[in-house]
Amino acid sequence: GDSVTQMEGPVTLSEEAFLTINCTYTATGYPSLFWYVQYPGEGLQLLLKATKADDKGSNKGFEATYRKETTSFHLEKGSVQVSDSAVYFCALRASGSARQLTFGSGTQLTVLP
Amino acid sequence: SAVISQKPSRDICQRGTSLTIQCQVDSQVTMMFWYRQQPGQSLTLIATANQGSEATYESGFVIDKFPISRPNLTFSTLTVSNMSPEDSSIYLCSVEKGAERYGYTFGSGTRLTVV
Repeated sequence: GDSVTQMEGPVTLSEEAFLTINCTYTATGYPSLFWYVQYPGEGLQLLLKATKADDKGSNKGFEATYRKETTSFHLEKGSVQVSDSAVYFCALRASGSARQLTFGSGTQLTVLP
Repeated sequence: SAVISQKPSRDICQRGTSLTIQCQVDSQVTMMFWYRQQPGQSLTLIATANQGSEATYESGFVIDKFPISRPNLTFSTLTVSNMSPEDSSIYLCSVEKGAERYGYTFGSGTRLTVV
């Protein structure tokens, strides 16, 4: 079945450091890919998405490119801030009739001042 | 996109009792999804609720434990029945409204603690 494998956490960075959170997936066809963020004590918010190969999603300085050849959707940010501290989830929606999201395990990011 | 109102936001319940969680959407949606997020874990789909038909449950989840109602296109409830401490989790509802443009929308979650 469909699955998402996400970089193990937790990740701790200093402010202004470069961030990469790896995400790879297994799915048939061409799934849609998402990154969601969960700030402490809050619900899930969509961070960015990509619906077809080579699409780049971007938001708030975060970027991720849908790589069909490597089945990856790695999240990057050039300079993290303390306010980026949160849990990040990679997710996919399969291209068939199933409409639900399948989530990765989540990566806890802590940014230190 | 859609706006979801989920309640209660949190509750502490005695083992053996049941809790019903409500999700109200501000527009009509075909599918509603119920997820569970156990402490420190990712989200796991419990079931998909379509209006006018029985909910579809994922492996490991059964209707007797998690009965779902979907009386119309804007509302759904999830009941956690005969609770035990292992049911302590965050429960979230989600809808796919304009997902291609806005992604999926999630309720704010219900933090359940069973004592």
